[in-house]
Order: sequence, then C-alpha cells, then structure tokens
Amino acid sequence: AQSVTQPDIHITVSEGASLELRCNYSYGATPYLFWYVQSPGQGLQLLLKYFSGDTLVQGIKGFEAEFKRSQSSFNLRKPSVHWSDAAEYFCAVGSAGAGGYNKLIFGAGTRLAVHP
Amino acid sequence: NAGVTQTPKFQVLKTGQSMTLQCAQDMNHNSMYWYRQDPGMGLRLIYYSASEGTTDKGEVPNGYNVSRLNKREFSLRLESAAPSQTSVYFCASSQDGNYGYTFGSGTRLTVV
Repeated sequence: AQSVTQPDIHITVSEGASLELRCNYSYGATPYLFWYVQSPGQGLQLLLKYFSGDTLVQGIKGFEAEFKRSQSSFNLRKPSVHWSDAAEYFCAVGSAGAGGYNKLIFGAGTRLAVHP
Repeated sequence: NAGVTQTPKFQVLKTGQSMTLQCAQDMNHNSMYWYRQDPGMGLRLIYYSASEGTTDKGEVPNGYNVSRLNKREFSLRLESAAPSQTSVYFCASSQDGNYGYTFGSGTRLTVV
C-alpha cells in the first residue's frame, strides 16, 4: 500500500539557518509528490509538486525539493529560514484510484519552530 | 475568489447528535474530498467524490456519510456523533488529483 513517512515530528532551527525536512514514500509506480504548509488555524497551502522531469523542483516562498528515486525520498529544503516559516509541513503522494484517478496520501507532518 | 468555503468553522456537539458539515468550491473543479486531521496522524481521507454524482470511501469512512449535491457542493454528515470524531475537518477540491488540492480553512469539531 502507498504510504508517506516524515521521520521528524518537530524541528527547531535558528532564523537564517538552512532547513531540510525529510520525506520518504512507498509507491509502486512513478509517484506524484507534493509538499504542503499549514500555518496555525489555517488550511493547507501547496508549496510545490513533482510529476516528472527535472528532479529538483522550485516552489513558493523560496522552498525547493529534490526527488531521489533510489532513496524513495522527496526532501524539502530552504537555504535561509525566516521566522514566518514556522508552521507544519506535510508531504503527500498521489495514489491511483479507480479509473486512474489520483487521491493524495499525507504524511503525519513535521512541525517547524524558528528561533530568532 | 473564495476558493473552498467550509461552514461552520467551529462546532460543539453532544454524543449522539447529528450534524452536516458544508463545503462549496467556486473553481469548477471536478473532484472534492473530506479529510480529518488529528495530532500526529496527518490528514486521513474520509470520503471523496471524483466527479459529480459519484462518491467513494477513503481511509476512515465509518460513522460518516457524504452527498455530492452538485458540482460545487460536497457535504459530510455525522449521523450520531461520538467523542472519537473530535477532530479538525478539511474539505478540498481539485480539477484532477494529480495537480494538487485547494483546501478550505477547516471545521474544528468537538464531541462531548
């Protein structure tokens, strides 16, 4: 069965430091991969997505993610974190449903805290 | 440009009461979804509707029913609420699941 693992429940970084959030997936075919961000009390906002092609994808707010098939990973990175990046981050994989339709399976999330 | 609108934003129910969570999208999306979010468990799919007139069970459908009223609206009903259904509920829509979802701002439900 398809699944997504985010090994880090909480991460704390200092403002200006670099960030990497880990995501590993289990999926039998070429996956569709997503990262979402959730600010407190808000819904989820799409940061970036990978379907095919270049394995390094750029997203909004200065985030990027790299797809590594050999490691079944899709880690999220940012070179310099801002205090406003404090939020919860979710990795998701597209799972083929009936008739080829895809629905998303989410990881448990990583909560990011940023120290001034 | 409202996107996905959920009502209500907050609700407290007593065990055994029923209620319907409403969701509407104005993006002409074909597909709509209901998720619940619980601490440490991410988002789990309750039901989804790939297109108008169809609904299917997701990962955790027990205790819930859904109605795809038309292309815009997808409601979630709790017939007899239980404390285990205390959660934050999110509705989402997409033109095609491959292209990511647009989420509503959520309904925080407490069952006492």
